[in-house]
Amino acid sequence: DTAVSQTPKYLVTQMGNDKSIKCEQNLGHDTMYWYKQDSKKFLKIMFSYNNKELIINETVPNRFSPKSPDKAHLNLHINSLELGDSAVYFCASLGQETQYFGPGTRLLVL
Amino acid sequence: QKEVEQNSGPLSVPEGAIASLNCTYSDRGSQSFFWYRQYSGKSPELIMSIYSNGDKEDGRFTAQLNKASQYVSLLIRDSQPSDSATYLCAVQVGGNKLVFGAGTILRVKS
Repeated sequence: DTAVSQTPKYLVTQMGNDKSIKCEQNLGHDTMYWYKQDSKKFLKIMFSYNNKELIINETVPNRFSPKSPDKAHLNLHINSLELGDSAVYFCASLGQETQYFGPGTRLLVL
Repeated sequence: QKEVEQNSGPLSVPEGAIASLNCTYSDRGSQSFFWYRQYSGKSPELIMSIYSNGDKEDGRFTAQLNKASQYVSLLIRDSQPSDSATYLCAVQVGGNKLVFGAGTILRVKS
């Protein structure tokens, strides 16, 4: 049973396209996150939702829009993709002690 | 800007040796500290958490925290080739937000 799952695992697309990444957790946690990990492995928080409410919104271009239909799901929509958006995007869920990460979505913008 | 700093490495140690990984942080108000391990192409996984000054041991891993010096470290005893990975230091700041360091690459040579 996968605790935090993401789809798709890989995403290759052209500049200017719009794409979505989906995340689901079956841990019953209230808080979920989106992180971006660039080629230098630096993991940076983008957004956090608590029970469908946005609580953390870092300095991220407004081309990125998170959506949480319920507390088990947190999706990320990206408009007008740019080369610099190429990275691994991780979803995470907050447990009692710390965060549990999904497997990541590897996005490559050509 | 709250920061977490780590030496990027790579840190190379022979099999069986002690690997010492270090991290400094800037936010004096931080109370919770974590070490994550990330294998290449995989997601970060929690290996240690520490909240109080001093040492915390778990198997071959020991986390050390010195809040006065704003310093947290991870010792890995009897290092194994399977310990080769990137180790991410994370500090909890302001609620449920984690700030990550850029990670230290550890290579254990057999």
